[in-house]
Amino acid sequence: EAQVTQNPRYLITVTGKKLTVTCSQNMNHEYMSWYRQDPGLGLRQIYYSMNVEVTDKGDVPEGYKVSRKEKRNFPLILESPSPNQTSLYFCASSLFAPGTGGVGYGYTFGSGTRLTVV
Amino acid sequence: GESVGLHLPTLSVQEGDNSIINCAYSNSASDYFIWYKQESGKGPQFIIDIRSNMDKRQGQRVTVLLNKTVKHLSLQIAATQPGDSAVYFCAETPGGYQKVTFGIGTKLQVIP
Repeated sequence: EAQVTQNPRYLITVTGKKLTVTCSQNMNHEYMSWYRQDPGLGLRQIYYSMNVEVTDKGDVPEGYKVSRKEKRNFPLILESPSPNQTSLYFCASSLFAPGTGGVGYGYTFGSGTRLTVV
Repeated sequence: GESVGLHLPTLSVQEGDNSIINCAYSNSASDYFIWYKQESGKGPQFIIDIRSNMDKRQGQRVTVLLNKTVKHLSLQIAATQPGDSAVYFCAETPGGYQKVTFGIGTKLQVIP
């Protein structure tokens, strides 16, 4: 089944304790992205990656890191989590970067990771 | 997730009626527009997209209309069903590896 898999689904952690949220896709998609979703703010892009070893900042990159060593994996790293990073996180992938491949190539999203930092 | 629907504009529609969800965008350079559906506890799901050189595009029971003059996008759902109850997001991008910006969403409630 074509999908984006995120782990874990739920995570409660303490301030300052490094954590990694994993994301893997099995569709050979070039483009991957991380979003956070907060009530009233919609989805905001954290980082995106056009291909292996190519990443760039989105709207809210502060406090986050990413890496793209393999095409299928795009982990999100919080080196020193803080309470304002409590949120619902989504990983997404698409065959092409949005808008570059014609129509019909929207994102496939993962099921989300609900992170609470206390 | 369960908290995503709070504080959102809400559209209530009778089952079987047509729904129209609207979205205003701000970036005149945006070239590509997408609609997503998010059910409670799930990730957003791609519905339909449209490029700026189109005015209208149809899918199964859904139609997207684009009015570039007033920077307005709409999603029409025909014969709305209870399974259509969800939060709907529009998204825009200039394309070319530039960022994708999502709206805050509209909650659609289908009344049986």
